[in-house]
Order: sequence, then structure tokens, then C-alpha cells
Amino acid sequence: QKEVEQNSGPLSVPEGAIASLNCTYSDRGSQSFFWYRQYSGKSPELIMFIYSNGDKEDGRFTAQLNKASQYVSLLIRDSQPSDSATYLCAVNSNTGKLIFGQGTTLQVKP
Amino acid sequence: ETGVTQTPRHLVMGMTNKKSLKCEQHLGHNAMYWYKQSAKKPLELMFVYSLEERVENNSVPSRFSPECPNSSHLFLHLHTLQPEDSALYLCASSQDRGGALHGYTFGSGTRLTVV
Repeated sequence: QKEVEQNSGPLSVPEGAIASLNCTYSDRGSQSFFWYRQYSGKSPELIMFIYSNGDKEDGRFTAQLNKASQYVSLLIRDSQPSDSATYLCAVNSNTGKLIFGQGTTLQVKP
Repeated sequence: ETGVTQTPRHLVMGMTNKKSLKCEQHLGHNAMYWYKQSAKKPLELMFVYSLEERVENNSVPSRFSPECPNSSHLFLHLHTLQPEDSALYLCASSQDRGGALHGYTFGSGTRLTVV
């Protein structure tokens, strides 16, 4: 089992829809969870982080964390073509680093 | 300059060349990282430095040699590379070792092509 798992996609949604990106992790001791957005050929950019169970909202983005189920998700409301990118889930580990998932490619179609 | 800067942005080198990648962070962070990202592949952690001390080397071939002269600068010295080493090389930094507090801040990367 991979430490951090994401569906590689692509996930295709129409413009204006809600995009739901999911991530599961194996280390029950993980405390910090991050979502990065990476445009093609560019570097990852941190867009959300969450530490506590529940929802955290920032503009059109909502991060959801369920530690009991070892599940973290990112919702993007009113998806725009400019949201088309690869979204990386990252989880802190007890080995002193972040563990990244392989990323989910999101395509928002006009 | 702000954030994490990497130079050069693009590099083409022959297999017998020696070159260096440079990374500088202007955030007062205490840890720095080198990652490799090949086309359509996940991020691969190469090296971790915490307060200028190398704390992790992920079985990286010796043709890649890191150097961290101080907490703001990180280099990756390259020699005798292979075509399969062509990739995007990313530098990152974090306030705390491991990035648990605020995650990593990435530089813009160096696109390396080995010919």
C-alpha cells in the first residue's frame, strides 16, 4: 500500500461544476495535510492545508479531513478552466518529511 | 528576491559536462530539499538538509552531489549524467524539518535536458 494514494485521473468536469479530489493515507500518526496545485511544466504551489477533522474553506476551495477514515479531500466549487492542473496531496510523516501522492489531473472543460 | 529562487531555469548539458544547480531561499527556513520530477511521474525526494546538515539521501546516484553551505543556499552538482536524468529539478524549503507546520515552499525549478 502506498503511503499517500490519489487517483491519477484525469478527472474531467464542466465549467461551473464542483470538482472533488480525494486522497487516502496510511500513517495514522499524520497530523498535517496539504494540497498543492501544479500547472504543466511549473512547480507545485501550496493552496490549502488542514490539521483538524472537518472542513476548512478558503474562497472556492474546501479541504475536508477525516482522520478516522484516513481520508482528505479537496473540493473546488464553480470550477474554471484555469483550475485545470495536477493536484498533489501531501501528508507529514514520522520520518521528518512530507509524503506526496502521485497527483490527480483535473480538466475543466468550457 | 522573495520565496525560493532557482537558477538556471533551463539547462542543456552533455553527458560529460559538469554543471551546478543553485537554490536560494529568502524565507528564513531551516530545511531545504531537492526533488526530481520526470515527465508524468510523481515527485522523487533526493536529498534533505536540516540546518545545513544532510539528513537524508534517498539512494541517489553519486553523479548527483548536493552541497549546503548555509541555511539559505543549496546546490546540486551534476557530472557524467545520463539521458534518463533529464527532468524538472525542484528545490523546496520549510520552516521546520519535515514541513509539518506550514508545508514546503517550492522554487520554480530547473528543466534539465541531458544530450
